[in-house]
Amino acid sequence: DADVTQTPRNRITKTGKRIMLECSQTKGHDRMYWYRQDPGLGLRLIYYSFDVKDINKGEISDGYSVSRQAQAKFSLSLESAIPNQTALYFCATSDAKGYQETQYFGPGTRLLVL
Amino acid sequence: DAKTTQPPSMDCAEGRAANLPCNHSTISGNEYVYWYRQIHSQGPQYIIHGLKNNETNEMASLIITEDRKSSTLILPHATLRDTAVYYCIVRPPGLYKLSFGAGTTVTVRA
Repeated sequence: DADVTQTPRNRITKTGKRIMLECSQTKGHDRMYWYRQDPGLGLRLIYYSFDVKDINKGEISDGYSVSRQAQAKFSLSLESAIPNQTALYFCATSDAKGYQETQYFGPGTRLLVL
Repeated sequence: DAKTTQPPSMDCAEGRAANLPCNHSTISGNEYVYWYRQIHSQGPQYIIHGLKNNETNEMASLIITEDRKSSTLILPHATLRDTAVYYCIVRPPGLYKLSFGAGTTVTVRA
């Protein structure tokens, strides 16, 4: 979905390096999410943000940090990358209306930590 | 969380309708049923969702039984590009994380 973009799409880095994954959306949604996907483990939530001033840890936030620079931008940083952070990373946005909340995902960033 | 049960895999002929079942017998009254799909290593794609009425959009139809314990996603005219893993998710209100189970691997054959 071109409304949610992620950069870079692929990244190779070395252990100990700090890297940033970026997410931008044009859907006008307030809520944004970062997930990682590992083979056989499904999606796991890293961080989420309900608006620019609201940041929350997900189930696997250790080793990660985020920045919500604007409504449309949500960045994920790996402070000191390690090999077990090799994964597929997805950003998502959502609109919440009462009990309904539909999440829309970006194309993903494939990260390899050597 | 209401758990869902889906068949692990199914095949479908190109041009035919694909009917994907999902059981969610412990669903609560205010929980919506969502369907997503993921084509290999791409971002999950939202398909459709519903509460208790049948829903239709440009991608698919969702049929929810009257007791809401099961549902069926219908892809009316499957194409090769519909080959993907399809996930049925019952999402409690206020739970922000989407939990994708194993899903159904749908293979559309020419």
